[in-house]
Amino acid sequence: DSGVTQTPKHLITATGQRVTLRCSPRSGDLSVYWYQQSLDQGLQFLIHYYNGEERAKGNILERFSAQQFPDLHSELNLSSLELGDSALYFCASSIGGHRGLGGELFFGEGSRLTVL
Amino acid sequence: DAKTTQPNSMESNEEEPVHLPCNHSTISGTDYIHWYRQLPSQGPEYVIHGLTSNVNNRMASLAIAEDRKSSTLILHRATLRDAAVYYCISGFNYGQNFVFGPGTRLSVLP
Repeated sequence: DSGVTQTPKHLITATGQRVTLRCSPRSGDLSVYWYQQSLDQGLQFLIHYYNGEERAKGNILERFSAQQFPDLHSELNLSSLELGDSALYFCASSIGGHRGLGGELFFGEGSRLTVL
Repeated sequence: DAKTTQPNSMESNEEEPVHLPCNHSTISGTDYIHWYRQLPSQGPEYVIHGLTSNVNNRMASLAIAEDRKSSTLILHRATLRDAAVYYCISGFNYGQNFVFGPGTRLSVLP
């Protein structure tokens, strides 16, 4: 158990819909990262928040948005869903922020999104 | 961040050592080398990381070449539970710029 909690574990929805994925980081971790893993793309970095502030953006679509709340949990919002958005979405947390200290990321078990 | 190259797949027998290689020829002086693994149906899991010196922890050892252009993850006695995809990543800013390549799929035979 990594200490990172993601909900829901599974989600099935239709094209055009909107969903929210939730992540609770490990106690004490200030950073939250979102990754997307699809069969043909591997693990892709989406976005990073540190203590409530956005720190870096990766390959995140404009239809997707995220935020980190004062209690440090984070939500990833996916809207106008397309078939290609079907994937595993992972959240990871770490103690530090943007400075590279060679530290450790703790990943949740992921949320599997299926868009029909 | 530096790109890494790894073999697509490797096979090992149970209870034998496994050496998983990684090339990171464009690594910069401040880039760490990180290893993560992903077991089936799970999120990636931290294995080990290092900068210049060899590193050991309860899971594995990391041997870093003197020129830092390559490294080797060593599992001293492979178990069936070690069957996973192993990712080698080099980078300074962990997390946001981590580039997870295809990794090496390790199969462990009983």
